[in-house]
Amino acid sequence: DARVTQTPRHKVTEMGQEVTMRCQPILGHNTVFWYRQTMMQGLELLAYFRNRAPLDDSGMPKDRFSAEMPDATLATLKIQPSEPRDSAVYFCASALTENTEAFFGQGTRLTVV
Amino acid sequence: AQTVTQSQPEMSVQEAETVTLSCTYDTSENNYYLFWYKQPPSRQMILVIRQEAYKQQNATENRFSVNFQKAAKSFSLKISDSQLGDTAMYFCAFMEYGNKLVFGAGTILRVKS
Repeated sequence: DARVTQTPRHKVTEMGQEVTMRCQPILGHNTVFWYRQTMMQGLELLAYFRNRAPLDDSGMPKDRFSAEMPDATLATLKIQPSEPRDSAVYFCASALTENTEAFFGQGTRLTVV
Repeated sequence: AQTVTQSQPEMSVQEAETVTLSCTYDTSENNYYLFWYKQPPSRQMILVIRQEAYKQQNATENRFSVNFQKAAKSFSLKISDSQLGDTAMYFCAFMEYGNKLVFGAGTILRVKS
């Protein structure tokens, strides 16, 4: 059963702490997206990768956020230092190619207190 | 920049009736894809239907069908024989060939018994 796997599912952390969210894309998919979902902003694209290379991270606050793909089976999104306004659900999605639909993980609900 | 507009923040429909959700988009490109995703209370993002811009025939998936008007840049979703399980947030999404996936703000659909 191919699926995108995100860990952790839930994370509560204190302001100023580092947060790392992980995503395992579907095997063989060459495109990975990171989205942030909030009530106010909806689904915002933070960054996306193709064949592990970052193509666009213009939606990401560069001073505190970073996204990487150390290998084809792992994508990471880090926030350092975290702030209460970062509280949201973070989704990872992967696509087989650049011209196919994206499949989403179940999301990481982040709460920064 | 590509934009996707969903002008109906919320809609309601009686069980077994038909409902149409609206979506418009803006692009100067000729080749692209359009999608509808469903997000139930579990928050899992589920692909409902996809449409390739080069195809004139409207896509259908069981009770779900689209009305794709390329010249008008309109992509509405029709749900026939609505069921309680269709209650969810519905997102329209747009992707140019080889580019990022952009979402609209979403429409909350409530199916009433």
